[in-house]
Amino acid sequence: KNQVEQSPQSLIILEGKNCTLQCNYTVSPFSNLRWYKQDTGRGPVSLTIMTFSENTKSNGRYTATLDADTKQSSLHITASQLSDSASYICVVTRLTGGSQGNLIFGKGTKLSVKP
Amino acid sequence: EPEVTQTPSHQVTQMGQEVILRCVPISNHLYFYWYRQILGQKVEFLVSFYNNEISEKSEIFDDQFSVERPDGSNFTLKIRSTKLEDSAMYFCASSFVSTPESGYTFGSGTRLTVV
Repeated sequence: KNQVEQSPQSLIILEGKNCTLQCNYTVSPFSNLRWYKQDTGRGPVSLTIMTFSENTKSNGRYTATLDADTKQSSLHITASQLSDSASYICVVTRLTGGSQGNLIFGKGTKLSVKP
Repeated sequence: EPEVTQTPSHQVTQMGQEVILRCVPISNHLYFYWYRQILGQKVEFLVSFYNNEISEKSEIFDDQFSVERPDGSNFTLKIRSTKLEDSAMYFCASSFVSTPESGYTFGSGTRLTVV
């Protein structure tokens, strides 16, 4: 079954600190992996996209990694800010759709950044 | 930056009533989607729509659900007879193409509460 698992479920860090969020997936056929940021009560917004051949992708203070062999990805946030408080969702895109659709969502990691 | 607009932001309805959730996708996008997110759960695929017909649908999308593009700009999701378990955030999304690399732009969602 196509699944995306994320850890931890929630995380509290102090402003200015770094953190790393994890994603494991069993999705095939694999096309790409995206990390989304979802503010409370809002829709998901794409942060990064990585294809099979990419190991690392950065977007400002966000750095995503992908190990296609072990089917693991991480999202590293450096120098966290209060505005980083949100849910971070790992989404794997399949090459084909079907009843699950193309996008397979993880449950997300809820990050809280405290002053 | 172009946005996907959803209305209303919050709808409360009585069990058994019909509801229509509305979405205005990005104007030059051709593919449209509905997703839902039950509180505390992951985002789930409902349906994809292209060229005025359903492309794919999930097991959730039963006979109680229907979608329509009544004019050139709106994309609606109708639930004929709401149940308590339909309470969720409903997200509309659109994309220009249907390839796995294409970005989905999500709306801010409609929070549906069935009482």
